[in-house]
Amino acid sequence: EVQLLESGGGFVQPGGSLRLSCAASGFTFSSYAMTWVRQAPGKGLEWVSSTDSSGVITYYADSVRGRFTISRDNSKGTLFLQMNSLRAEDTAIYFCAQLLNSASVTWGPGTLVTVSS
Amino acid sequence: QPVLTQSSSASASLGSSVKLTCTLSSGHSRNIIAWHQQQPGKAPRYLMRLEGSGSYNKGSGVPDRFSGSSSGADRYLTISDLQSEDEGDYYCETWDTDTRVFGGGTKLTVL
Repeated sequence: EVQLLESGGGFVQPGGSLRLSCAASGFTFSSYAMTWVRQAPGKGLEWVSSTDSSGVITYYADSVRGRFTISRDNSKGTLFLQMNSLRAEDTAIYFCAQLLNSASVTWGPGTLVTVSS
Repeated sequence: QPVLTQSSSASASLGSSVKLTCTLSSGHSRNIIAWHQQQPGKAPRYLMRLEGSGSYNKGSGVPDRFSGSSSGADRYLTISDLQSEDEGDYYCETWDTDTRVFGGGTKLTVL
């Protein structure tokens, strides 16, 4: 069974940093592009960042470019999101998803990030 | 970059059918989209990948009651024989070379 499990969320002050992880199982992780999507409380889905299967090609939403870094360790089947200079507006549930033919086909349960003083 | 427009809400009676719409912005009418369902308090669930031709591929375990269709820049999700568990938010998603976009979501209420 294909599964994704995010971790690393928590409470952080503005300007702080967090590193999210997404552990994959049930599929050949190194063969798939991956993406991070977030959802602020009571709001819709917002794309954050994506990477190709090797981790060489990365893309970011304008709202996080220069502050967030996506990476992956294919040997460990894990996707990461390093988040620096966090702002209150980054408060959200962060989901990782597996991309297949460009669509987000498998989603993790999400991890909550709260940025507040 | 593409923009996806969805109605904010929809409602239909138990056992009836409902058709949700996702409209692609000008210049992106040929884009492929994906439909996702998000039940209250849960993560999104992939429903299908839908092409401009109307051809679609559903995710594993998605009931036959869910189908897709297209017309011009509009992409549709039709749910037949509505069940109470179909209540929730429905999002469309598309992508370009270096970006991905979600629609604002439609909140479906089953009466």
